[in-house]
Amino acid sequence: DAGVIQSPRHEVTEMGQEVTLRCKPISGHDYLFWYRQTMMRGLELLIYFNNNVPIDDSGMPEDRFSAKMPNASFSTLKIQPSEPRDSAVYFCASSTPGTGDSDTQYFGPGTRLTVL
Amino acid sequence: AQSVTQPDIHITVSEGASLELRCNYSYGATPYLFWYVQSPGQGLQLLLKYFSGDTLVQGIKGFEAEFKRSQSSFNLRKPSVHWSDAAEYFCAVVEPDYKLSFGAGTTVTVRA
Repeated sequence: DAGVIQSPRHEVTEMGQEVTLRCKPISGHDYLFWYRQTMMRGLELLIYFNNNVPIDDSGMPEDRFSAKMPNASFSTLKIQPSEPRDSAVYFCASSTPGTGDSDTQYFGPGTRLTVL
Repeated sequence: AQSVTQPDIHITVSEGASLELRCNYSYGATPYLFWYVQSPGQGLQLLLKYFSGDTLVQGIKGFEAEFKRSQSSFNLRKPSVHWSDAAEYFCAVVEPDYKLSFGAGTTVTVRA
């Protein structure tokens, strides 16, 4: 399996622009998680999905952030408009609780976002 | 909610020396515990995990961790570190709704 795939790996944009981050989870995994990592706040869970349905978005910082999962193999995290304080590394992870590998989340390589 | 504490922000160790990273958790029931490693510019890689059973867990890259319920700890160890072990290490616990709660991380520097 290719693991969790994220694109782009790096994104540099200017303040006010729309940014879309993409994630393809491991095939067969029915949970998908979006995290943000910064020096100040560490790893924060933004939102997670179960069977393509958002379960908990309490970590989404503000209305500028939105996430979708139109099907089992694709999710997006969008920031519109972007601000410099959104600069961070964004990780996607997937898991399939209830199996022999219960609750183990597998992470993608991350997208490093820089907002100028 | 569960929480994870990693008391050491930064540890420096000589190559070939032993390493121990501390992790304490707060959770009422038996927790599901993980250690992840993040090399510079990379994603998080799972080192090992504890769900139940044997309290000494073996992982990849020669790492092991011991679950001690009495101390609410899940410390990570390696008998002899290699320069490639320089990275940031995260302890995490799964909450009942499958969310991971991470510690703040411990950065390991390996000196020659």
